[in-house]
Amino acid sequence: SAVISQKPSRDICQRGTSLTIQCQVDSQVTMMFWYRQQPGQSLTLIATANQGSEATYESGFVIDKFPISRPNLTFSTLTVSNMSPEDSSIYLCSVGPPGQYVTDTQYFGPGTRLTVL
Amino acid sequence: GQQVMQIPQYQHVQEGEDFTTYCNSSTTLSNIQWYKQRPGGHPVFLIQLVKSGEVKKQKRLTFQFGEAKKNSSLHITATQTTDVGTYFCAGNDYKLSFGAGTTVTVRA
Repeated sequence: SAVISQKPSRDICQRGTSLTIQCQVDSQVTMMFWYRQQPGQSLTLIATANQGSEATYESGFVIDKFPISRPNLTFSTLTVSNMSPEDSSIYLCSVGPPGQYVTDTQYFGPGTRLTVL
Repeated sequence: GQQVMQIPQYQHVQEGEDFTTYCNSSTTLSNIQWYKQRPGGHPVFLIQLVKSGEVKKQKRLTFQFGEAKKNSSLHITATQTTDVGTYFCAGNDYKLSFGAGTTVTVRA
């Protein structure tokens, strides 16, 4: 398994600003994922971030709005840019099994609760 | 693209009763996973089903994967207050697509 921490755990931001969310894993993982979960809703995949390659974004999400970095096998950041109230949500990072290039068994971080005023 | 439908959205259960939540995918899946999210928490992996017709049990939880690998179910027997939370299925077709979830509340 993997233990994941996220910073910040929550934030309240003004519209038009940007927030960078950090995801730290206690082991080396190939696959990392960023999800958005609006209150009471399901999880929506934003992008897949594999070390050594550009992030792959899902339909409806673009790099200019959600730039992602993946500098090494234990760390990733997601930036929510030019925020609007519609970006208020919980942002979760998750990882695949350490050392494996599969989408099985994802481990989730505690999430970052973002409120945009 | 792949869509995963999950019903019911809410399940209010008397303690000690059984209930089932169902998942259906629009496409054939390589596997299906189930996660539980407690109120205020993050999703936690429960199980993965890979084979057609597979059945797995975890104590009072029984998971099934359909013969066509397009549907799945989670059956909980003798519901306890510790079962409270939202149960998500996630269809895996090279990426996970989560169902809407079934939010379970239990009355003692």
